[in-house]
Amino acid sequence: AQSVTQPDIHITVSEGASLELRCNYSYGATPYLFWYVQSPGQGLQLLLKYFSGDTLVQGIKGFEAEFKRSQSSFNLRKPSVHWSDAAEYFCAVGRYGGSQGNLIFGKGTKLSVKP
Amino acid sequence: NAGVTQTPKFQVLKTGQSMTLQCAQDMNHEYMSWYRQDPGMGLRLIHYSVGAGITDQGEVPNGYNVSRSTTEDFPLRLLSAAPSQTSVYFCASSYDRTSTTGELFFGEGSRLTVL
Repeated sequence: AQSVTQPDIHITVSEGASLELRCNYSYGATPYLFWYVQSPGQGLQLLLKYFSGDTLVQGIKGFEAEFKRSQSSFNLRKPSVHWSDAAEYFCAVGRYGGSQGNLIFGKGTKLSVKP
Repeated sequence: NAGVTQTPKFQVLKTGQSMTLQCAQDMNHEYMSWYRQDPGMGLRLIHYSVGAGITDQGEVPNGYNVSRSTTEDFPLRLLSAAPSQTSVYFCASSYDRTSTTGELFFGEGSRLTVL
């Protein structure tokens, strides 16, 4: 069965420091992969997505993610974190089954930013 | 452009009461879905629809009903509320009928408490 694992429940980084959030998936073929961000009290917003091609994808707000097939990973990175990046981040994979598919979400990583 | 609109934002119910969470989108999206978000569980799919008149179950459908009489609206009904249904509910839509490759657009959520 397809699944998404985000190993880190909570991460704290200092403002200006670099960030990497981990995501591992299980899926036999090349998956469709997404990162979403949820600010407090808000719905989720798409940061970036990977379907095929260049394994390094750029997203909004200065985020990027790298797809590594050999490691079944799709880690999210940002070179310099801003206080406004404090939020919860969800990795998701497109699920196939029957005639329609939908997304499987990881359990999320909460990011705190220290001044 | 309103996007995805959910009402109400907050609701308190007593065990056994029924209610409907409303969801409307103005983007002419075929795909609509309901997720629930619980601490440490991420987002879990309740029901989804790939067009008017078509609905299907997700991971956690028990205790919930849906219908899709128009493209714009996708209400979620709780028939007899239970404390286990205390959660934050998100409606999401996508221009991709499968939702697998397309971006999901989320509402701001409805926080439900069942006493």
